[in-house]
Amino acid sequence: NAGVTQTPKFRILKIGQSMTLQCAQDMNHNYMYWYRQDPGMGLKLIYYSVGAGITDKGEVPNGYNVSRSTTEDFPLRLELAAPSQTSVYFCASRRDRVGQETQYFGPGTRLLVL
Amino acid sequence: QQQVKQSPQSLIVQKGGIPIINCAYENTAFDYFPWYQQFPGKGPALLIAIRPDVSEKKEGRFTISFNKSAKQFSLHIMDSQPGDSATYFCAASRRGSNSGYALNFGKGTSLLVTP
Repeated sequence: NAGVTQTPKFRILKIGQSMTLQCAQDMNHNYMYWYRQDPGMGLKLIYYSVGAGITDKGEVPNGYNVSRSTTEDFPLRLELAAPSQTSVYFCASRRDRVGQETQYFGPGTRLLVL
Repeated sequence: QQQVKQSPQSLIVQKGGIPIINCAYENTAFDYFPWYQQFPGKGPALLIAIRPDVSEKKEGRFTISFNKSAKQFSLHIMDSQPGDSATYFCAASRRGSNSGYALNFGKGTSLLVTP
């Protein structure tokens, strides 16, 4: 199993540009998440999904959109990049099963908006 | 609003020492408390986790102590090694939450174990 994969690893965007951060998992997990990590701030939830076709906002959703058309993929879309979106983005997934709460994280995408 | 408060922000110990990282939470509905370890340039990885029905859990050199009445939990690393140098995050989540059991993270502790 590859686990949770993310692409790209690093990207530089100009203000106002758009891009999609890709996330895929091969563990057949129902739950998927997007977090952003800023220095000294921990990880904050952007969006989450409980299954294909079902998504909802987290703590910091402004400026982002998501879709979940398949169980495997959960892309994160930035429409109009702003310097405040400079961060490291992590995708995670977990099973929908009591006793198996472990969230598995991808390697992250480092985004710089200039 | 930080739902999980973590301290200290950074910690330096000598090899063989026992670093202790503390976390506190307010929401009594939380029922799952994991610790994640993160190395530079990598994603967080689960280290150890505990539920509030036990007061302590050990896995190898890592121990979680849990105090439900005080709403606090801590990570102890026994016989610490330079390879333990990393950032450690505590977190909490609850069943039936309206955020899909998403984790609420502390701000992290940067641990350096010197030789």
